[in-house]
Formats: sequence, C-alpha cells, structure tokens
Amino acid sequence: AQKVTQAQTEISVVEKEDVTLDCVYETRDTTYYLFWYKQPPSGELVFLIRRNSFDEQNEISGRYSWNFQKSTSSFNFTITASQVVDSAVYFCALSVVGNQFYFGTGTSLTVIP
Amino acid sequence: GAGVSQSPSNKVTEKGKDVELRCDPISGHTALYWYRQRLGQGLEFLIYFQGNSAPDKSGLPSDRFSAERTGESVSTLTIQRTQQEDSAVYLCASSPVQEYQETQYFGPGTRLLVL
Repeated sequence: AQKVTQAQTEISVVEKEDVTLDCVYETRDTTYYLFWYKQPPSGELVFLIRRNSFDEQNEISGRYSWNFQKSTSSFNFTITASQVVDSAVYFCALSVVGNQFYFGTGTSLTVIP
Repeated sequence: GAGVSQSPSNKVTEKGKDVELRCDPISGHTALYWYRQRLGQGLEFLIYFQGNSAPDKSGLPSDRFSAERTGESVSTLTIQRTQQEDSAVYLCASSPVQEYQETQYFGPGTRLLVL
C-alpha cells in the first residue's frame, strides 16, 4: 500500500527565516514519482516539483530546495528566507505505476511579517 | 494557454438536492481526475478518466456520486441526494496522459456547501 505522511500540520515562521516541510512516503514499488504542490489561500494547487525514484540528486530552485533520501523514504522541502507570499498549504504526493496519486494531508505554513 | 477551469466556483444547496459540477481540462490533456478536499484535509481521490478507456471509479464514496466525460473534453461530477457530509471543495485536474509520472494540473475547485 502507498502512503504519504506530512507530520507537521501547521508551521509558523517569521519572515526571512528558513523552514523545512517534511514528507515521508511508503511504497513497495521501486519506480515511483514524488511531487510537491502549493495551495495558496485562493485554493488552486500549483505544481512545484516532480522527482523520480531513480534520481536522488537534490534540487534547488531559487529559494526552494528539495532533499530526496530513499534511505529514509523522505522528500523534504526547504524554503530559504521565507516571505509572506509563501504562506500556503503545501502537499506532498506520491504516484506509482497503476496510477493513482496519493496525497499527504498537507502542511499549513504561515509566514509572519 | 488556458488552465483547468471549473464551474461553479461556489455552490450552496439543500440536503437532498442533486448537484452537477463541471470541469474543463487543459486542451489536449487526455487524463482527467476528480478529488474531494474536506476542510483542513488532504485530497481524496474520486475518479479518473483516460481517453476512451473505462474510468477508474474506485474512489467514489457511494453510489450517489457519478461522473461523465465526453471524449477528451468536459467532465461532469454529479452528486445525487446531497448530504451535509458532501460539503467540501471538489478539485479537478488534468494531465497530458494518464501515466504515473505525469504532472497533474489543478483547477480552482468548486466549493460545495450542503445545508
């Protein structure tokens, strides 16, 4: 069975602080994809990143970075120098062959000015 | 280009009434998904369509829920005899093909409130 766990339900940080959102996944498949989505207050989910199970190289995109570690089944997301516009709910998701997406319950991030 | 659109944005209905929610996927996207998101919760898979293949209905919570899709275009999610527990945001997503590695692009959702 597949499962995605985002243990942090809510996080508050002060602007310019760094923050890491945790994501732990479970699957017995050796081939899978991991995703992060952002859901701002407007409600529309925005795709952030996709990573396949064979690529453990960390990725950096501006203030965003992702740390994929198969050894711990984690795909954590770090925002550096957070900004108020980063306030949103962030979802981690897993997809495997056979298709369904499995979403975590989300982490609500509030960046305080 | 245009993204996924959904209508209505908000819907308030009385318990026992039927509702129809509409999704227009991104042009050319063959796969279409419906999810339900209850307040403060994650996304709950409902159904997906891929081209002319039989849809995967495994996530539909009861026989009051049904969905249709015309070819590779518009989809309608119908909830019959609505219950208060059906109150949620219903999200639609599309992707170029129905493959597990494909990114899903989401619409803004329909907020359904059943009184």
